[in-house]
Amino acid sequence: GESVGLHLPTLSVQEGDNSIINCAYSNSASDYFIWYKQESGKGPQFIIDIRSNMDKRQGQRVTVLLNKTVKHLSLQIAATQPGDSAVYFCAEKGATNKLIFGTGTLLAVQP
Amino acid sequence: GAGVSQSPSNKVTEKGKDVELRCDPISGHTALYWYRQSLGQGLEFLIYFQGNSAPDKSGLPSDRFSAERTGGSVSTLTIQRTQQEDSAVYLCASSSLTGGSGSPLHFGNGTRLTVT
Repeated sequence: GESVGLHLPTLSVQEGDNSIINCAYSNSASDYFIWYKQESGKGPQFIIDIRSNMDKRQGQRVTVLLNKTVKHLSLQIAATQPGDSAVYFCAEKGATNKLIFGTGTLLAVQP
Repeated sequence: GAGVSQSPSNKVTEKGKDVELRCDPISGHTALYWYRQSLGQGLEFLIYFQGNSAPDKSGLPSDRFSAERTGGSVSTLTIQRTQQEDSAVYLCASSSLTGGSGSPLHFGNGTRLTVT
């Protein structure tokens, strides 16, 4: 099967600070991107998505930025809270219809 | 409404036995996906259904793995002659659209399979 990476990087932030989680995607033909949050023992939960004809999209406390030139995606979380602690995955989707997931980043929020 | 439901939530089986994992997608979702997640790792694509057919089964690790979907709804993933390396969390997801730019996948909480 397909997956990306075996190493789980960690981002540690203080409660109330802004968090930025980065992701490099692999396929320049991908035209749809999603960020997921996964808490222990649960399935991935949809946070926000963006299509390739956009470079920025905002949700509630979250912003996704897409840089197609360098194939880079980022998730910004404003005023990070302890409940934001989880593993965050980026995912890309192209013409094949399957969603390819990135490595995942563990976000640890310190009170 | 109800989300994606998977059963059982946990399954412990002996090496060599067959197991069957079930997924009930969100009502009306035409696309259904199976992924596998080993401890501390990312999600590995296994198979994708559009309706009852599987246009992409490229991620199935071996011929011991098979999946079917009936009535455009429930799907079962079957693993025959289980091996210890099959131990993982098996995640199912459904989506209302297909194509490169579609709607997001909605995941169930998975079945944790342990092969002893």
